[in-house]
Amino acid sequence: NAGVTQTPKFRILKIGQSMTLQCTQDMNHNYMYWYRQDPGMGLKLIYYSVGAGITDKGEVPNGYNVSRSTTEDFPLRLELAAPSQTSVYFCASTRGTGEAFFGQGTRLTVV
Amino acid sequence: GEDVEQSLFLSVREGDSSVINCTYTDSSSTYLYWYKQEPGAGLQLLTYIFSNMDMKQDQRLTVLLNKKDKHLSLRIADTQTGDSAIYFCAVSTTSGTYKYIFGTGTRLKVLA
Repeated sequence: NAGVTQTPKFRILKIGQSMTLQCTQDMNHNYMYWYRQDPGMGLKLIYYSVGAGITDKGEVPNGYNVSRSTTEDFPLRLELAAPSQTSVYFCASTRGTGEAFFGQGTRLTVV
Repeated sequence: GEDVEQSLFLSVREGDSSVINCTYTDSSSTYLYWYKQEPGAGLQLLTYIFSNMDMKQDQRLTVLLNKKDKHLSLRIADTQTGDSAIYFCAVSTTSGTYKYIFGTGTRLKVLA
């Protein structure tokens, strides 16, 4: 059972470049979340989804986009990377309430 | 919106008890959680409590919930060096949005 899988683990982007952070889960969870964790800081919710075809903004959505075409996948898109987006990104999934299962994170540096 | 606050740092001696505190603003929070994050890793669930409970004990961990003050605490008995990590409080609700909100995290350092 793989749980929540994120790719890539590490990435360096130049300012203005775009990329997609991939997240997939095999637990048939309806709810999926993207968080960012800045150095020495807590988790900030970027976007979340309560099911396929439904997404909503979290606390810090600016500069990001998401889609949820299937239950399994919840990719996060950065269109024009900025240094302020340097962070560690975590994807998580839940049944709704109860335990959140996290991926191992993607460490992104924008230079 | 919802807010979850924690103190940033806690330092204790090995063998002592640690108490990590958390306050939250959303009174409709149904489930309250404690997660542990070790360096370079994702978060792992330690324990959780339902909003209709006051206390939950799980081996060395004791969770106390004061709903009136919206205050949650995690006590770790006989703290070990392996307990050094960041501890996150989190809340979720069943009130439609199912947002899962995390606190700022408390970095626990255990001194030998």
